Amino acid sequence: GQNIDQPTEMTATEGAIVQINCTYQTSGFNGLFWYQQHAGEAPTFLSYNVLDGLEEKGRFSSFLSRSKGYSYLLLKELQMKDSASYLCAVRGGSGGYQKVTFGTGTKLQVIP
Amino acid sequence: EADIYQTPRYLVIGTGKKITLECSQTMGHDKMYWYQQDPGMELHLIHYSYGVNSTEKGDLSSESTVSRIRTEHFPLTLESARPSHTSQYLCASSVSPGLGTDTQYFGPGTRLTVL
Repeated sequence: GQNIDQPTEMTATEGAIVQINCTYQTSGFNGLFWYQQHAGEAPTFLSYNVLDGLEEKGRFSSFLSRSKGYSYLLLKELQMKDSASYLCAVRGGSGGYQKVTFGTGTKLQVIP
Repeated sequence: EADIYQTPRYLVIGTGKKITLECSQTMGHDKMYWYQQDPGMELHLIHYSYGVNSTEKGDLSSESTVSRIRTEHFPLTLESARPSHTSQYLCASSVSPGLGTDTQYFGPGTRLTVL
């Protein structure tokens, strides 16, 4: 199976930078996703990493280290609308059968 | 913007009723999924399909059933609803060409309340 671990909650100040970590254990790793989910809404895709390194998309960046089983999502210039849950999801599995498993999510609260 | 739709958006029904939650996507995605999520809680995969006539149970045991007769359509049925089925149900789809990304696109969800 796949194990994914991320902090339950975080609080950060408007305009600041926050880093949300995700560690995982899986066989046949084949990609890591970050999703954003506002309360009462469906998750929306933010980023995808399959190779080591940093992927930047505007205010959001995602980093992956496959050897360490570790990723982080970096949010810069925080805005109040960034208050949401951030879900780490890992694609993996063996024997030609791969699935995507979601973590429990990190609830981020942005305060003025 | 993803073209994946769910109906109804909200449903309140009595115990023992049979219900079908609809999910359709117009992106031609081969894979489709159903998740159950209680407010503020994690996503639980209850069913998935990797193509027409292919359905599998997910990680969370569910009394619901699914079918995949057409690529674009993946309905979920509860034969006899109970209050324990009260939850939000999210449908998603993805495409996976070889070692592709498998990014999932979610529908808006159906919020089900069973009295």
